[in-house]
Amino acid sequence: QSALTQPASVSGSPGQPITISCTGTSSDIGGYNYVSWYQQHPGKVPKLLIYDVGNRPSGVSNRFSGSKSANTASLTISGLQAEDEADYYCSSYTTRGTLFGGGTKLTVL
Amino acid sequence: QVQLQESGPGLVQPSETLSLTCTVSGGSISSYYWSWIRQPPGRGLEWIGYIYSSGTTNSNVSFKSRVTISIDTSKSQFSLNLSSVTAADTAVYYCARHQTPRVRDAFDIWGQGTMVTVSS
Repeated sequence: QSALTQPASVSGSPGQPITISCTGTSSDIGGYNYVSWYQQHPGKVPKLLIYDVGNRPSGVSNRFSGSKSANTASLTISGLQAEDEADYYCSSYTTRGTLFGGGTKLTVL
Repeated sequence: QVQLQESGPGLVQPSETLSLTCTVSGGSISSYYWSWIRQPPGRGLEWIGYIYSSGTTNSNVSFKSRVTISIDTSKSQFSLNLSSVTAADTAVYYCARHQTPRVRDAFDIWGQGTMVTVSS
């Protein structure tokens, strides 16, 4: 069961939008609308940002949004802020359980 | 507010069994799915397995038959046993709750994580 594919790193300047991709297969991302995204600051616990492809839990900034097309999911952060610098992980439901992406390190320039 | 707390040894000998317990407080353990997730140092997240409050389990095939997950609803605890550990099992181990009583849900509540080192 291979991990979902994410870019190792992305960067952007404050105020700019950035998008992080997460590519899987028809057996995971493409087969279900159960993609989630997590934010993890260094030494901290992962925090749920997006669930069911594009839904935000209560308390999560509306600067974070999610979408999906075929076997690829995307997390978009609008109006980058310094506090957004963190690692981001996607995950997808599969019949064999949950599959995570390898993670993307976001640097705010 | 539901909180999760992992507990267990921080050091395990190679070939031995890693045993961790997650205690659920502030809410019910019933009618939810509960997972174990780990993160090796400097690396990404890896789902280990889940258990439902009824005792139904599923685990990552990558662990083959090394994983056992159990639940004690009377104590509001669920546990992970990982046998025949090697240095590759060194990681921060998290317990987490599935957001609603659906196995396919995201993990909305996480424990603080516990570092387990496999070394002689």
